[in-house]
Amino acid sequence: EAQVTQNPRYLITVTGKKLTVTCSQNMNHEYMSWYRQDPGLGLRQIYYSMNVEVTDKGDVPEGYKVSRKEKRNFPLILESPSPNQTSLYFCASSFLDSNQPQHFGDGTRLSIL
Amino acid sequence: AQKITQTQPGMFVQEKEAVTLDCTYDTSDQSYGLFWYKQPSSGEMIFLIYQGSYDEQNATEGRYSLNFQKARKSANLVISASQLGDSAMYFCAMRDGNNFNKFYFGSGTKLNVKP
Repeated sequence: EAQVTQNPRYLITVTGKKLTVTCSQNMNHEYMSWYRQDPGLGLRQIYYSMNVEVTDKGDVPEGYKVSRKEKRNFPLILESPSPNQTSLYFCASSFLDSNQPQHFGDGTRLSIL
Repeated sequence: AQKITQTQPGMFVQEKEAVTLDCTYDTSDQSYGLFWYKQPSSGEMIFLIYQGSYDEQNATEGRYSLNFQKARKSANLVISASQLGDSAMYFCAMRDGNNFNKFYFGSGTKLNVKP
């Protein structure tokens, strides 16, 4: 089954404790992206990647890191999480064609205390 | 500046009636893409429909159609014959014409379908 898999689905942690949210897709998509969803703000793009070893910032990259060492994986790293990073996070992937919709993972709900 | 504006935070519609969800966008590019996604209460994001800026005809997918008015920079989603399962959050999104790797989402419209 074609899918984007995120882990964990839920995480409660404390300020400053490094965490990684994994994202994996099995559709051979070149493009992958991370978003955060906050009430009243919709989804905002954090980082995206056009292919292996090629990443760039979205609109809200501060406090986040990403890497793309393999085509299928695109982890999101919070080196020193803070309470304002409490949010619902989505990973998405697609082919690079401009008319291709993104396929989204089921989301990761992060709570930073 | 907001790239995508959805002015209806919440809407109600009677089952079997049609409903229009508004979306306006801001871009000076000639080439861009517009998407609508549905997010049910379970949280997943479901792609509904796509409209390219150069597409002359309005996109349609089953009960979904996109009322694309390029001069007014609007891309409203029309759902015909609403069903109870249509109750969800709906997001309008734009793929940046200058940088196809960047996406902008609106704040969403919560649709409630009444029986």
